[in-house]
Amino acid sequence: AQSVTQLGSHVSVSEGALVLLRCNYSSSVPPYLFWYVQYPNQGLQLLLKYTSAATLVKGINGFEAEFKKSETSFHLTKPSAHMSDAAEYFCAVSDRGGYNKLIFGAGTRLAVHP
Amino acid sequence: EPEVTQTPSHQVTQMGQEVILRCVPISNHLYFYWYRQILGQKVEFLVSFYNNEISEKSEIFDDQFSVERPDGSNFTLKIRSTKLEDSAMYFCASSDATVQDQPQHFGDGTRLSIL
Repeated sequence: AQSVTQLGSHVSVSEGALVLLRCNYSSSVPPYLFWYVQYPNQGLQLLLKYTSAATLVKGINGFEAEFKKSETSFHLTKPSAHMSDAAEYFCAVSDRGGYNKLIFGAGTRLAVHP
Repeated sequence: EPEVTQTPSHQVTQMGQEVILRCVPISNHLYFYWYRQILGQKVEFLVSFYNNEISEKSEIFDDQFSVERPDGSNFTLKIRSTKLEDSAMYFCASSDATVQDQPQHFGDGTRLSIL
């Protein structure tokens, strides 16, 4: 069975500071990994995906994530936080790319303060 | 950019009543999904649908739930006799089956409130 653990339900950073949101996964098969962002009163928007190609994945809005098999991690980073990055971020795993169900982590709410 | 659209955005229903949540997936997508998010909890998979039949369902998706693609554009989730614990945000998603690594695209959700 697959699972996702997101460490830290709330993360607060200053504007301009590094953003680091942690995600660890468990999967018995090579995983497909995704980060989604949810702004207030909106749906889930795909930030980036890992599908067994390059281990460093770049996404929208300056975010990137690195797949580390040895650590079973897929942490999300952004060098410089912007006020507009305040949202909830979800890490998800699937065992067949876009076909199969997504297993989500509990989410991390990112707050950005001036 | 094509979007998944869901209606209504908010549905209030009396306990025991039937409710139908509607979704219009992205037009060339062939895989469809429903997820739900109870307030303060994680997003949970309910069901996936492909080629006019359910391909996978979770333990949550019991006999009270059903899905249907009544025409070429809509994808619906029906709850026959709603319970208080069905109150949640319900998300529809769709995916392009022609390329394996294509992600699922989500709608903005329907907030279902059971009174």
